Amino acid sequence: GEDVEQSLFLSVREGDSSVINCTYTDSSSTYLYWYKQEPGAGLQLLTYIFSNMDMKQDQRLTVLLNKKDKHLSLRIADTQTGDSAIYFCAEIRDTGGFKTIFGAGTRLFVKA
Amino acid sequence: DGGITQSPKYLFRKEGQNVTLSCEQNLNHDAMYWYRQDPGQGLRLIYYSQIVNDFQKGDIAEGYSVSREKKESFPLTVTSAQKNPTAFYLCASSIGTGWDLNTEAFFGQGTRLTVV
Repeated sequence: GEDVEQSLFLSVREGDSSVINCTYTDSSSTYLYWYKQEPGAGLQLLTYIFSNMDMKQDQRLTVLLNKKDKHLSLRIADTQTGDSAIYFCAEIRDTGGFKTIFGAGTRLFVKA
Repeated sequence: DGGITQSPKYLFRKEGQNVTLSCEQNLNHDAMYWYRQDPGQGLRLIYYSQIVNDFQKGDIAEGYSVSREKKESFPLTVTSAQKNPTAFYLCASSIGTGWDLNTEAFFGQGTRLTVV
């Protein structure tokens, strides 16, 4: 397919780990991004990974990249209610001009 | 404070009217973008501009127009030709475009447009 795909919903209990998955399409993408959108707001860059890396850790966030399967995941350890948001995966695609292609976003619900 | 500002936050428009959404950035970024967000769909690119006085159509440009007369400003006009304009519109900017981290996008807070 041509789309960046994510599941639409994820529900976890406070304190558990959350894993948000994404499949992308362009094997030549150099950077892959995770953005967070809180209700009624714009997106903020959460983290990114360069394509020559398999994993990147940043405090509670771990990004895993499987280039062979074009699969990207974001793990949030010790999920808090403040992590409730929509998480977007994005890749850069060269279609005669560089465009950032976003997935549909995964809505994370954190239950207290 | 540096940032990207969209106004207004909420906008109501009567069918058949054109409306312009404002986007201003003081980050000295060359590239600016307009995205549309609909429930359950990813962000879709409407228009983007890599440099002043130049812009390109994105995936869903029909019914929209833009201008880039100044580096800091990239207004989007939703015309009456846009068949389904009710949506959340997000403006973004980045240092540049290409295969590097200059593509990190900084987003505005969005404008929710409702056609009544």
